[in-house]
Amino acid sequence: AQTVTQSQPEMSVQEAETVTLSCTYDTSENNYYLFWYKQPPSRQMILVIRQEAYKQQNATENRFSVNFQKAAKSFSLKISDSQLGDTAMYFCAFMKLDNAGNMLTFGGGTRLMVKP
Amino acid sequence: DTAVSQTPKYLVTQMGNDKSIKCEQNLGHDTMYWYKQDSKKFLKIMFSYNNKELIINETVPNRFSPKSPDKAHLNLHINSLELGDSAVYFCASSQGYHGYTFGSGTRLTVV
Repeated sequence: AQTVTQSQPEMSVQEAETVTLSCTYDTSENNYYLFWYKQPPSRQMILVIRQEAYKQQNATENRFSVNFQKAAKSFSLKISDSQLGDTAMYFCAFMKLDNAGNMLTFGGGTRLMVKP
Repeated sequence: DTAVSQTPKYLVTQMGNDKSIKCEQNLGHDTMYWYKQDSKKFLKIMFSYNNKELIINETVPNRFSPKSPDKAHLNLHINSLELGDSAVYFCASSQGYHGYTFGSGTRLTVV
């Protein structure tokens, strides 16, 4: 079974600064997908970024980018120019490629507070 | 148009009651899911359906029964509610490996 670990339960950052959230995972699979989801106080789960394990290039979406280290099984999220609206829980998630329903396994989450 | 809609958003009920949560998606996705988010924010899969067929059934009490009348709907019925069932329940859908689209969640409180 896959496990996903987020070692930072809480983090804070000043507005306009950069912050990196850590995620490690454990799997014996070679092909899989990794995701970061954001959950603001509204409770809605929002997809932030997606990485395919067979692609070496790190995914980027505007101010959000990842550092994917496949050998180390590490998938960190960098938020640049942090904004107050980035305050949320952030979840790292793993999806393996099979026919078993594309199950997402989530980490325990990191609560990020952006301070003015 | 809401892509994945869940009703109700909030549900407060007494122990022992039976309740249902409804979910509908208009994205044309083949697979739908129910996840439970506990008080510590941990998200755990409960069920997955693909084209109305049960694919994933995690270790969930028999009091929880999913029903998928068609590809666009996945409802969750809970019998004999217990205090420990209090949580946020998320419905989601997906197609391939593009990640999930989540509903807005149902906060269930059992008193």
